[in-house]
Amino acid sequence: NAGVTQTPKFQVLKTGQSMTLQCAQDMNHNSMYWYRQDPGMGLRLIYYSASEGTTDKGEVPNGYNVSRLNKREFSLRLESAAPSQTSVYFCASRRDSWTGELFFGEGSRLTVL
Amino acid sequence: EDKVVQSPLSLVVHEGDTVTLNCSYEVTNFRSLLWYKQEKKAPTFLFMLTSSGIEKKSGRLSSILDKKELFSILNITATQTGDSAIYLCAGPGSGNTGKLIFGQGTTLQVKP
Repeated sequence: NAGVTQTPKFQVLKTGQSMTLQCAQDMNHNSMYWYRQDPGMGLRLIYYSASEGTTDKGEVPNGYNVSRLNKREFSLRLESAAPSQTSVYFCASRRDSWTGELFFGEGSRLTVL
Repeated sequence: EDKVVQSPLSLVVHEGDTVTLNCSYEVTNFRSLLWYKQEKKAPTFLFMLTSSGIEKKSGRLSSILDKKELFSILNITATQTGDSAIYLCAGPGSGNTGKLIFGQGTTLQVKP
């Protein structure tokens, strides 16, 4: 059972570089989310997609873009990485926006030098 | 502003103690609130609460939701060192858009 798969698991970038975090789920879920987690803090919502074809900003969207490529895939792009974006990123999916367990990927640790 | 607030932010107890973790939220008229446990990796699911006043139980853990007062509690009885973790609750954001917001988390340390 793959569940939610994120790649890459680790990445080191230099300030100003760009990269895309990939996320795919195989549970036929409608809703997908990107969160970041910094030391000593909870999960902060970056962007989410309530259903295929829609995306919305979360709590901390600045510096990020997303694409809901299809029902399975939801990618997060950093166009010009900054040290403040050093964090652990989690992708998650849910059957729909209103109810159901939120399933998480294993996380991607990103360091921006 | 959407808010989910957890308290306390951290807690140190000894094995065998009972702890109560709190989660308050601001959005009314929603369908579910979630509790998660996080150790070193991704959060793992504990409970989903949808109805006020109905307790959910799993072993030594239990949780209940009060939709009128907009809060939930997570109880852990007879704590063990393996309960040491960050406990997170997640509730809805405003605007009926499907946004799911997490609180800051409660870091629980259980000492032998």
